[in-house]
Amino acid sequence: EIVLTQSSGTLSLSPGERATLSCRASQSVSSSSLAWYQQKPGQAPRLLIYATSSRATGIPDRFSGSGSGTDFTLTISRLEPEDFAVYYCQHQDTFGGGTKVEIK
Amino acid sequence: QVQLQESGPGLVKPSETLSLTCTVSGGSISIYYWNWIRQPPGKGLEWMGYIYSGSTNYNPSLKSRVTISEDTSKNQFSLKLRSVTAADTAVYYCVRDPRKSGSDYGRHFDLWGRGTLVTVSS
Repeated sequence: EIVLTQSSGTLSLSPGERATLSCRASQSVSSSSLAWYQQKPGQAPRLLIYATSSRATGIPDRFSGSGSGTDFTLTISRLEPEDFAVYYCQHQDTFGGGTKVEIK
Repeated sequence: QVQLQESGPGLVKPSETLSLTCTVSGGSISIYYWNWIRQPPGKGLEWMGYIYSGSTNYNPSLKSRVTISEDTSKNQFSLKLRSVTAADTAVYYCVRDPRKSGSDYGRHFDLWGRGTLVTVSS
């Protein structure tokens, strides 16, 4: 069973800053199978990125994904007020524990 | 556009069966993978299983208690979770995986219902 670790539990950043979120898999995974989601309080998760780097429909280009093997990254180039949320990575039937991006 | 809506009791007694239905509007459930994912209050996401063209796949940790079925005539799919305990208290989401058979992409979830909170308590 693959375990996904999102080591940065909480990131405290300011609007306009760059956010770099990490997701580490316990063993190498296919790049076609790594996705990222954003979840705001009281809402369902929203798909941001699939297949490591493909943006989902309607997702702004300030969101980008990269990585391979066991290490994957979600980057938000410049944080907008609406980007402060919890972010989850996912591979097949497994989700990471989430990273909260909060306003500093 | 396609929308998903969960329905079912918000309160279930311990040891009983949790039953939820997802109604899909604006598109057919005869294509794509249809999933249930849950989230205990304040915690992370857990994939429970999917149904695809009548075939099912379940999370091994829940396999002995879960059944997912579909009613194509009503464009609905359903979840049954048996022998529930307080640990099954969660928001339950019905979710679409937009892959088709033979897709090069791995599982991902592009369309979510709003979720329904199910509390297990006597």
